Amino acid sequence: SQQGEEDPQALSIQEGENATMNCSYKTSINNLQWYRQNSGRGLVHLILIRSNEREKHSGRLRVTLDTSKKSSSLLITASRAADTASYFCATDVEGAQKLVFGQGTRLTINP
Amino acid sequence: DAGITQSPRHKVTETGTPVTLRCHQTENHRYMYWYRQDPGHGLRLIHYSYGVKDTDKGEVSDGYSVSRSKTEDFLLTLESATSSQTSVYFCAISETQGPEAFFGQGTRLTVV
Repeated sequence: SQQGEEDPQALSIQEGENATMNCSYKTSINNLQWYRQNSGRGLVHLILIRSNEREKHSGRLRVTLDTSKKSSSLLITASRAADTASYFCATDVEGAQKLVFGQGTRLTINP
Repeated sequence: DAGITQSPRHKVTETGTPVTLRCHQTENHRYMYWYRQDPGHGLRLIHYSYGVKDTDKGEVSDGYSVSRSKTEDFLLTLESATSSQTSVYFCAISETQGPEAFFGQGTRLTVV
């Protein structure tokens, strides 16, 4: 079964609003990563947060990690039309040598 | 994009035929991965490699085999393609275990 589960599966907001996506996972991790996928393209790495970190920022992105709840959230502030994409969380599972992805959140930014 | 090339980019094949997809990297990264992406399932790991001739199974490995005879090439083979293997296949690489992975552009495979 999938290690990561994103919520919601789809999100539609107006340009300029903030978008929040959530990810839950099942086992202990070394780090959690977020990726973006534009339609028909490969995934692009956005941000990584280590298991001993609680919050991380990168430009308009803010990621939080709660290891006690096995959950993470990705906040995109001041959304733009170009942010329209699917967003995936990926966990680097402790003791394994692989990244496991969730099903993704499809984000649509309406002008 | 990082130096990752997938070939072919599109392929239509018939049920029962063998198919090989190629992933070529110029980054000299140790780890290479094959994922498939299907609606409602996100990305699922098929096989991965942690060095030349070192490979292991992912969560959906049945019907697939892989080989890595050189650092730069990771081949995915469908021994006898089935319609359930119609999907978009992505190769990814990473330098070490864990940190960011770089993805290829994908191969759209249709089995008819």
